[in-house]
Amino acid sequence: GNSVTQMEGPVTLSEEAFLTINCTYTATGYPSLFWYVQYPGEGLQLLLKATKADDKGSNKGFEATYRKETTSFHLEKGSVQVSDSAVYFCALTSPSGSARQLTFGSGTQLTVLP
Amino acid sequence: DTGVSQNPRHKITKRGQNVTFRCDPISEHNRLYWYRQTLGQGPEFLTYFQNEAQLEKSRLLSDRFSAERPKGSFSTLEIQRTEQGDSAMYLCASSWGQGPDTQYFGPGTRLTVL
Repeated sequence: GNSVTQMEGPVTLSEEAFLTINCTYTATGYPSLFWYVQYPGEGLQLLLKATKADDKGSNKGFEATYRKETTSFHLEKGSVQVSDSAVYFCALTSPSGSARQLTFGSGTQLTVLP
Repeated sequence: DTGVSQNPRHKITKRGQNVTFRCDPISEHNRLYWYRQTLGQGPEFLTYFQNEAQLEKSRLLSDRFSAERPKGSFSTLEIQRTEQGDSAMYLCASSWGQGPDTQYFGPGTRLTVL
């Protein structure tokens, strides 16, 4: 079945530091890949997505590249801000089946200190 | 459009009681999903509707759980004879359903079973 493995947290960084959160997946076929973010007290929000190999998703300074050869979709940001403190979830949808439900990783808590 | 809404936001109940949650998706979204999220974990898929038809159910959805989407708009999730293990955040998401579509999440209903 499908699965997503995320870098374990929590991660604590100083403002303006470089961020990488690792994500690898197992899936049949060619899944679509997503990063969702959950800010304190809020619901899940889509951060970025990529739908085919070598695609790069980007939003709000965050980037992730769909790497088929390494089955990875690592999240990066060059300079984090305090406002980026949140829980980040990597997820995929399988192209097979009708539901296309999301399979999530366990999440990575990021805290950015001023 | 105000996004996906869920009611109530919080529910505290005693073991053995029945509870019902409501989800109002983004208007004109034909796909609706229910997920469950426990502390420190990513959301797990429960069930999926396309319009009013419930097309897929996870093995996580025991016989005590039932979901409906009577007119293809709002949906309800009922849990009968609640158990302490049912304590979790219940998330609803909706999407338009074209290709690798993006799911938009509501704020969730937090259930506590005493």
